[in-house]
Order: sequence, then C-alpha cells, then structure tokens
Amino acid sequence: GEQVEQLPSILRVQEGSSASINCSYEDSASNYFPWYKQEPGENPKLIIDIRSNMERKQIQELIVLLDKKAKRFSLHITDTQPGDSAMYFCAATSTGGNNKLTFGQGTVLSVIP
Amino acid sequence: NSKVIQTPRYLVKGQGQKAKMRCIPEKGHPVVFWYQQNKNNEFKFLINFQNQEVLQQIDMTEKRFSAECPSNSPCSLEIQSSEAGDSALYLCASSLSPDTLYFGAGTRLSVL
Repeated sequence: GEQVEQLPSILRVQEGSSASINCSYEDSASNYFPWYKQEPGENPKLIIDIRSNMERKQIQELIVLLDKKAKRFSLHITDTQPGDSAMYFCAATSTGGNNKLTFGQGTVLSVIP
Repeated sequence: NSKVIQTPRYLVKGQGQKAKMRCIPEKGHPVVFWYQQNKNNEFKFLINFQNQEVLQQIDMTEKRFSAECPSNSPCSLEIQSSEAGDSALYLCASSLSPDTLYFGAGTRLSVL
C-alpha cells in the first residue's frame, strides 16, 4: 500500500515568516493530495488539496506544490500568524478506486509572536 | 463546525468490555471511513463503507471489531473486547467520493 513520509515533525517559525512542510509518497498511482489542520482536541479539518493534474494551488496564504516525478508535495504557509499554530497532516490516495487516504506522520507548527 | 456527528465524545471502558461508537455522516455522503488516531497522532485506517457495503477493512477490524452503516441509521463501530492498546481517538469521516474526507470530532476511547 501507499506510504507517506512527512517532515519536519516539529516546526517553529516567527510570526510573519513562511512555514514549509514536505511530504513524499511511494505509489505513482496516487493522484489526490489533501492537507489537514488539527488543533488540540479538535477534528482534522481539510484546508487545501491538490490533484495530479496540477503542479501548484493557492488559497489565500496557503500554497501547495506537487512534483509528480519526484513523488513529493509540499505545503507553504506564507505570512504565518499565531492562529496557524496546530498540527498539520499531509495525505495521499489514488481516486478511481475505493482506496483509503494514507496520512503522513504530522507536523507540529508553532508560530512565535 | 463539522457536519459529521460522532457520539459519544468520550468513552471509558474496562478491558474485555465492548465499546461502541456511532457516526452520522454528512447528509448525502455515501462514503464513510473510520480511522484510529493514537497517542502519537498516527492515523490508522480501520474500515470504509459505500452506502451500506464494506469496501475495505484491515485484519484487526475484521477480527476484533463489528462495524456497520445501515440505511436510515447511524453508522457504528464496536470493539468486541477492549484492550488497553485500543485507547485512542476514533475518527469517522464522510465523503461524496472516496477522496475528499470530512472528519467528525471523534470519540476518545480510554480502556482502563
């Protein structure tokens, strides 16, 4: 099955700077890559996703990049704010079947005021 | 707020007891997933359904859990004989399609 590696596990950035989280996957058939934000005691919330027909997607301060050849994708949060502090998970799956999402190990992001 | 409703939020059981949790998927979503998130925040896929049919499940689920998604009733996941290692957050998610998942708040199970 699919394996997803996520780095770093812990990320501390200064308010206003950018934060980047990187993920890699193994299954070349994977074609859907969502990102979830999970705050303590809360459920994971979908914040942005990208499909394999795109290389870049941006929603406000969130940018996701996908490199299919390298089997890597990344999340970039520009102009970070204290409210961005949370745990972030990447995931991958292949659509067209009934395959499950495989999650990365998570990144704890702390934005220092 | 999530439109996927999970109950109860917290569940405390003794070892060997049954532990049952329920999930009402978002209206119109035919696909339901259950994941276990452990104390290290790792996600483990347990089982998924499309309408009332099981699509996939892992060995642990097949051997130790009972799960169903009947029509017009909440989906449920029940551990037949709880073990300490089952202590975790159990997340239900629903989707219009098998990829974009929307999670409920979860049921946090503690097995004493």
